[in-house]
Amino acid sequence: EAQVTQNPRYLITVTGKKLTVTCSQNMNHEYMSWYRQDPGLGLRQIYYSMNVEVTDKGDVPEGYKVSRKEKRNFPLILESPSPNQTSLYFCASRKTGRVAGANVLTFGAGSRLTVL
Amino acid sequence: GQSLEQPSEVTAVEGAIVQINCTYQTSGFYGLSWYQQHDGGAPTFLSYNGLDGLEETGRFSSFLSRSDSYGYLLLQELQMKDSASYFCAVRDLLLNSGGYQKVTFGTGTKLQVIP
Repeated sequence: EAQVTQNPRYLITVTGKKLTVTCSQNMNHEYMSWYRQDPGLGLRQIYYSMNVEVTDKGDVPEGYKVSRKEKRNFPLILESPSPNQTSLYFCASRKTGRVAGANVLTFGAGSRLTVL
Repeated sequence: GQSLEQPSEVTAVEGAIVQINCTYQTSGFYGLSWYQQHDGGAPTFLSYNGLDGLEETGRFSSFLSRSDSYGYLLLQELQMKDSASYFCAVRDLLLNSGGYQKVTFGTGTKLQVIP
């Protein structure tokens, strides 16, 4: 089944304790992205990657890091989490170029993070 | 930058038709998408308009007018399972980005379908 898999789905942590949210897709998509969703603010892009070893900041990158060493994986790293990073996080992927499906973002199930 | 506006909440009766509007401001417009998200779930793709006009997929249709920077999602024969949040998302070609098309989401419209 074509899908984007995120782990963990739920996490409660404390301020300053480094954590990584993993994201993996099995659709051979070039493009991957991380979003955070907060009430009333919709989905805001944190980081995106156009392909392996190519990453760039989205609209709200502060406090986050990413890496893209393999095409299928795009982990989100919070080096020193703070309470304002409590949110629902989504990873998404899509094809690129002028191909069918390039307009369709496929999302993971989400990771609900609470930072105390 | 990009900005999108859509109503925050809409209530409609089962079996009726509802239209969710989206207006946008962007510098390199490429297309408008719609996503559905049920409570606790992930957003799922509904439709995409790259050109003016109406796109129909079953009970759902989406319309785009590029000259008016406006689009809407039309849901017909509403069912209780259509209760969800609906997001418009603009695809924007960024200059000097090597062809990167940024997708910016609106804040979502929460649709409540009542019996």
